[in-house]
Amino acid sequence: GQQLNQSPQSMFIQEGEDVSMNCTSSSIFNTWLWYKQEPGEGPVLLIALYKAGELTSNGRLTAQFGITRKDSFLNISASIPSDVGIYFCAGQKYTGNQFYFGTGTSLTVIP
Amino acid sequence: GAVVSQHPSRVICKSGTSVKIECRSLDFQATTMFWYRQFPKQSLMLMATSNEGSKATYEQGVEKDKFLINHASLTLSTLTVTSAHPEDSSFYICSARLAGLLTQYFGPGTRLLVL
Repeated sequence: GQQLNQSPQSMFIQEGEDVSMNCTSSSIFNTWLWYKQEPGEGPVLLIALYKAGELTSNGRLTAQFGITRKDSFLNISASIPSDVGIYFCAGQKYTGNQFYFGTGTSLTVIP
Repeated sequence: GAVVSQHPSRVICKSGTSVKIECRSLDFQATTMFWYRQFPKQSLMLMATSNEGSKATYEQGVEKDKFLINHASLTLSTLTVTSAHPEDSSFYICSARLAGLLTQYFGPGTRLLVL
């Protein structure tokens, strides 16, 4: 199946720093979701985006649906240790029912 | 929020045996459930899409006779790994989609180890 490319693959940051990660695809998607997964657990939904250009926040997290419909961005402000985990983007194509997942960004926050 | 459970959370079995994993939506009806497989340090790979009352749709490369999916009700889907082999060892995760909505909610996953 199709896979979305996430960047960076991993990040090591100091507590309090802001984080930016993105997700790109060669295809157009009409829905983007961002999930966080901790070891041994299933992904937890963070933010859902439904319209090109949409900017949505959830606490310290902000995500944007790219204008081209081929990318999405996730920002985390003032990171804290509990932000540690793997962040996945997921996109749904216009005509499809399933979501395709990104390659993941592993985030480590150093206290 | 929407809660999805999986059972068992961990299972160890001998090669050649079959293992059944249950996925339940606890507080909503899910017309569609999805089954994913995740290998260590890798992303989630969709195995199949399960619609209530109809046959599952399998992704390319996933053997439907090996990974049997049943979605008998709006709150339960099962994945049976038949004649399991060590290479089937993985983290299996289900998700459920609320009827009429686009978002998916994931279960906590099932860790399968085949000896």
